[in-house]
Amino acid sequence: DSGVTQTPKHLITATGQRVTLRCSPRSGDLSVYWYQQSLDQGLQFLIQYYNGEERAKGNILERFSAQQFPDLHSELNLSSLELGDSALYFCASSDNDIQYFGAGTRLSVL
Amino acid sequence: QQQVKQSPQSLIVQKGGISIINCAYENTAFDYFPWYQQFPGKGPALLIAIRPDVSEKKEGRFTISFNKSAKQFSLHIMDSQPGDSATYFCAASRGNTGKLIFGQGTTLQVKP
Repeated sequence: DSGVTQTPKHLITATGQRVTLRCSPRSGDLSVYWYQQSLDQGLQFLIQYYNGEERAKGNILERFSAQQFPDLHSELNLSSLELGDSALYFCASSDNDIQYFGAGTRLSVL
Repeated sequence: QQQVKQSPQSLIVQKGGISIINCAYENTAFDYFPWYQQFPGKGPALLIAIRPDVSEKKEGRFTISFNKSAKQFSLHIMDSQPGDSATYFCAASRGNTGKLIFGQGTTLQVKP
């Protein structure tokens, strides 16, 4: 168990809808990262937050947004969903170089 | 633009054999190179990592070899076991950003 908790484990929704993925980092970790894993693109970095502030951004779509709250948990919001957004979304947290990954949320857009 | 290239895509090894996975990177600013192991239904977990100031790092049966001039690094799994069957990802990051750039992954199957 990495200590990083992601909810929900599975999410099934329809095109055009909006969903929110939640991540609780390891106790004390200030950094939270979001990654998308798909068969064709592999593991892709989306965005990083550090102590509530956006620290780095990857190829995150404009339809996607994230935030980190004062209690350090983070949410990834995906809107106007398309079939191609179906993927595994991972959250990771760290206090140094080592990133600890959660078990992921599997999003299926039908 | 893919900045970390990983090969092979899949690998089958007999129990007790050596598994070798290779990665090449393009950005010379990368200074942290971890390997992650992922089992089905789980998130990636850090296996071993290296910085470019050393050419090799060993932890148990797992060894990273690093060639800075060639911009390549590899993972060697000695005495491979069926329990090692998983997907392995190499990655790289720069400075303190922590943003990991992953290779495409290698699915390893160790046959008993």
